[in-house]
Amino acid sequence: SQTIHQWPATLVQPVGSPLSLECTVEGTSNPNLYWYRQAAGRGLQLLFYSVGIGQISSEVPQNLSASRPQDRQFILSSKKLLLSDSGFYLCAWTSGGAHTGELFFGEGSRLTVL
Amino acid sequence: GQNIDQPTEMTATEGAIVQINCTYQTSGFNGLFWYQQHAGEAPTFLSYNVLDGLEEKGRFSSFLSRSKGYSYLLLKELQMKDSASYLCAALDSNYQLIWGAGTKLIIKP
Repeated sequence: SQTIHQWPATLVQPVGSPLSLECTVEGTSNPNLYWYRQAAGRGLQLLFYSVGIGQISSEVPQNLSASRPQDRQFILSSKKLLLSDSGFYLCAWTSGGAHTGELFFGEGSRLTVL
Repeated sequence: GQNIDQPTEMTATEGAIVQINCTYQTSGFNGLFWYQQHAGEAPTFLSYNVLDGLEEKGRFSSFLSRSKGYSYLLLKELQMKDSASYLCAALDSNYQLIWGAGTKLIIKP
């Protein structure tokens, strides 16, 4: 069966510090991968998605970046965090091919920037 | 612009029925999704509607009217564990999901 795991689950970082969140998927090949952010009381905001290794599409201009060094690995990074980067970050996958809406989410990473 | 509207919060009684409404405006339409999200956890998929009508899955049902840009999620025989946020999301013509802010459902004994 397919599983998705992301880490760390919780982190508190000072403004200006770097960030790295990692996500891996097991049990499937060539998944579509997504990074979302969820702010309190807001809908899910798509940050990045990837349909293959090295293929990253950015949906929102920001100080975040994403990389997909391997088929089932997706990394979210920042060189310098802002206060506004605080939120609940979710990695998700769907089967390869056309985008679908049935997403399978990781456990989430709660980031607090102070 | 693209938009999803759903109530911010609803309260219901254990054992009762509750209907959570969602209206959407998107560029094209390729389906309507409902997700359940317990506090502090990731969303989990509940239902998918692409054709008009009612889809029933156990205690949960989802309805879609494409002409009205409207959907609802119906929860029957409410249990305390149903206390969660329910997220409505529409798939647009580019197969991108447009998300609502979610409806927090509070179940009282």
